[in-house]
Amino acid sequence: KAGVTQTPRYLIKTRGQQVTLSCSPISGHRSVSWYQQTPGQGLQFLFEYFSETQRNKGNFPGRFSGRQFSNSRSEMNVSTLELGDSALYLCASRRTRDTTDGYTFGSGTRLTVV
Amino acid sequence: EDQVTQSPEALRLQEGESSSLNCSYTVSGLRGLFWYRQDPGKGPEFLFTLYSAGEEKEKERLKATLTKKESFLHITAPKPEDSATYLCAVQETGGRRALTFGSGTRLQVQP
Repeated sequence: KAGVTQTPRYLIKTRGQQVTLSCSPISGHRSVSWYQQTPGQGLQFLFEYFSETQRNKGNFPGRFSGRQFSNSRSEMNVSTLELGDSALYLCASRRTRDTTDGYTFGSGTRLTVV
Repeated sequence: EDQVTQSPEALRLQEGESSSLNCSYTVSGLRGLFWYRQDPGKGPEFLFTLYSAGEEKEKERLKATLTKKESFLHITAPKPEDSATYLCAVQETGGRRALTFGSGTRLQVQP
C-alpha cells in the first residue's frame, strides 16, 4: 500500500520567489492537511482540505495557500518567499474528516529559502 | 487555546533501561490524543490514538496511557532502534480537525 507521497523532497528557492509543493494522499483518503515544521516552532497547522474545499486554516499569512483536486491530490503554494519560510513542509492524509484514525504523514518537502 | 507540553525535551537511556515520556495538555474538549514517532529526515509515524481518560494502548515495547490532563508513553526495555523524537498531539472536539503538537521528546537509546 503506497503511503503519502510528497514532491519534491528538497527545494532551494530565492527570497521573493514563489513555490508549489505537491502531495498525493493514500488511495481512498479524502482529507489532506498541511503542516510546517521548524526547529523553533515545531509542527504548526497550515490548512486542511476535504472534497476540494478548504475546511480549516491555521495562523499563517495569506502568502500561504493551497488547493485540492478531485482525485484528492493537493498542492500548497507560498508566494513572495521569505527566509523564515525555510522549513520542512509535511502533508498528512486520512480517510475522512470524522474518523479519529491517526493521520498518515508523508516524508515532507524540505524548503530552503536563500 | 489548545496547549501541549512535552517533557523531558531530551532523554538518554541505556539499552534495557525503561522510562516514561510525559505529555501535558490543555484543551476545551478532547476528541483524541495522538502519539507519533519521527526519525530524522522523515515525517511523523503514527503510533497510538487515545480517546478518554483511563484508556491504555500497547505496541511492542511502547505503552500509552491517558488521564484528564496528561498522557504518558512508557518505553519498556528500549533498544537502540527506538531512538527517535516522540511527538504528542491533541485534537479538540468541534469542527476544527487540526492537530496541536507538542515540541517532542528526543530519545536516544545507547547500546
